[in-house]
Amino acid sequence: QQPVQSPQAVILREGEDAVINCSSSKALYSVHWYRQKHGEAPVFLMILLKGGEQKGHEKISASFNEKKQQSSLYLTASQLSYSGTYFCGTEGRAAGNKLTFGGGTRVLVKP
Amino acid sequence: ETGVTQTPRHLVMGMTNKKSLKCEQHLGHNAMYWYKQSAKKPLELMFVYNFKEQTENNSVPSRFSPECPNSSHLFLHLHTLQPEDSALYLCASSPSWGGPEGGGYTFGSGTRLTVV
Repeated sequence: QQPVQSPQAVILREGEDAVINCSSSKALYSVHWYRQKHGEAPVFLMILLKGGEQKGHEKISASFNEKKQQSSLYLTASQLSYSGTYFCGTEGRAAGNKLTFGGGTRVLVKP
Repeated sequence: ETGVTQTPRHLVMGMTNKKSLKCEQHLGHNAMYWYKQSAKKPLELMFVYNFKEQTENNSVPSRFSPECPNSSHLFLHLHTLQPEDSALYLCASSPSWGGPEGGGYTFGSGTRLTVV
């Protein structure tokens, strides 16, 4: 069952912050985050393996709340290069379970 | 270049044709994947190969036939496709499949397939 991402789209001015949420109805082992620009391959941003874990990639960070089965991606002081579609991917509690992706959140950062 | 190369980038085929998509990775990864990306739909997992062995077939119709001759190469053989199979087909690789050692996926740029 695929995770649910919200919002579906967000428009930001350069320098503004945004939060993207990813929720699952099943117990999670890990959460992946990817960004895909138009016409390009999805690019891996980070993976979160433990409940409550937070990781960062430049000024993009994420948290994983294992109890709530959800993850949030934080875009801080957004740059034009942050524009793209962000996908979360979730793995179930059983090791080796397949990675299931959410529907994506389209982010547009304007000057 | 991501380290995962897919060919061709674009493919137009008739419903009676047979064609193959190719994926090659130079990252030393042991797991490879085929995903389908359609407009306004999430990335759909099709097949998983781990150390050349197929470990997942996500209820994919038999008109799609994967082949993994070694850990660096992955093919998707296509025959008698339907117009609804038109999509972007993405290949990905990771150090291994699942678990804490699985690691992030590296995607290729995809093959844009149009079935006419």
